[in-house]
Amino acid sequence: GAGVSQSPRYKVAKRGQDVALRCDPISGHVSLFWYQQALGQGPEFLTYFQNEAQLDKSGLPSDRFFAERPEGSVSTLKIQRTQQEDSAVYLCASSPTGELFFGEGSRLTVL
Amino acid sequence: TQLLEQSPQFLSIQEGENLTVYCNSSSVFSSLQWYRQEPGEGPVLLVTVVTGGEVKKLKRLTFQFGDARKDSSLHITAAQPGDTGLYLCAGGAGSYQLTFGKGTKLSVIP
Repeated sequence: GAGVSQSPRYKVAKRGQDVALRCDPISGHVSLFWYQQALGQGPEFLTYFQNEAQLDKSGLPSDRFFAERPEGSVSTLKIQRTQQEDSAVYLCASSPTGELFFGEGSRLTVL
Repeated sequence: TQLLEQSPQFLSIQEGENLTVYCNSSSVFSSLQWYRQEPGEGPVLLVTVVTGGEVKKLKRLTFQFGDARKDSSLHITAAQPGDTGLYLCAGGAGSYQLTFGKGTKLSVIP
């Protein structure tokens, strides 16, 4: 596809469940970002990859959050033992340089 | 922590009116970007400004970066219903990380 693709678009999890969110970036984009957007807020930085290397994970809220991009393309954001405060839209963005191209996001609701 | 404050938080206007939204910070940014986000979608980049005092125009939208590179404004002339959405500013201070404001939610009523 031409744009950044994220799946699933919607995920409902019971508190304590593990979830995995997938991001397919635009082909050839070296940089990949994950952001968390809570209701009524702007996106907040979670982590940054350059190819397969995770160069910055300072925004990950806790050690329950883990992201990987093993082959420098598709990325997965995993959240273990989900909590209600994890409910948010998780946005993935890729970039050739400078400009961010965002996916539609994965909306996570933790009950 | 660098913070960006956007105002107003909400704005509802009639079609054809003009409006200005603001993005302010106490920190200096090397660049500032404006995005528009529609419900259920990701943000879409509108413009990037990098030079203090810079003004960029995109059809009916005019973007200005403050001289000190701490603030920015977005002015929309003759707003149309298609302009409805969440307008986000994002400041860059390093090579990759962006700090986003909370956004201004604009509704243009036909």
